[in-house]
Amino acid sequence: GQNIDQPTEMTATEGAIVQINCTYQTSGFNGLFWYQQHAGEAPTFLSYNVLDGLEEKGRFSSFLSRSKGYSYLLLKELQMKDSASYLCAVRASYSGAGSYQLTFGKGTKLSVIP
Amino acid sequence: DTEVTQTPKHLVMGMTNKKSLKCEQHMGHRAMYWYKQKAKKPPELMFVYSYEKLSINESVPSRFSPECPNSSLLNLHLHALQPEDSALYLCASSQVHTAGEPEAFFGQGTRLTVV
Repeated sequence: GQNIDQPTEMTATEGAIVQINCTYQTSGFNGLFWYQQHAGEAPTFLSYNVLDGLEEKGRFSSFLSRSKGYSYLLLKELQMKDSASYLCAVRASYSGAGSYQLTFGKGTKLSVIP
Repeated sequence: DTEVTQTPKHLVMGMTNKKSLKCEQHMGHRAMYWYKQKAKKPPELMFVYSYEKLSINESVPSRFSPECPNSSLLNLHLHALQPEDSALYLCASSQVHTAGEPEAFFGQGTRLTVV
């Protein structure tokens, strides 16, 4: 099975930087994803890490340490539109089936305040 | 085209009805997924199809019946549902192999209400 933990809620100020952490335990690890989900909408892809280190994409960066089972999403220059849920998702190989299973954490609801 | 299209967007059905949810993608993805998402909860995996064959069934009740008629289409047939099955049903697709874009693309979902 898989166990994915992330904080339930966070609040940050417009223009600031916020870091959302995610820890996971899984077998057959094959990548960690961050998705953004606004209420009532589908998740949209933000970032992907499969090797240790930092991946930067504009205002968003994501870090992975496979040995620690740890990732974080860093959001810079926060904007009001960044208020959403941020879902950490782990992809792992599904034994014997030749498929990958994408499992989501419970999500972190980020509120950006003026 | 990076779009996954789901129909209908909203569906209200009685507990004795039979209905189907549809999902379509034209990105050449050979893995397609059904997720169920209740309010304020993360998406929960229901089924995975890989090369049009069911490869993962997460112990979903038989009142949900998936079908993958070809590499672009994924259906979810619904029969004798319960009110607790009311949720947002999300379809997603991705590459099967790790080469290329790894991420799953999601449709906008079908908001299902069982009365």
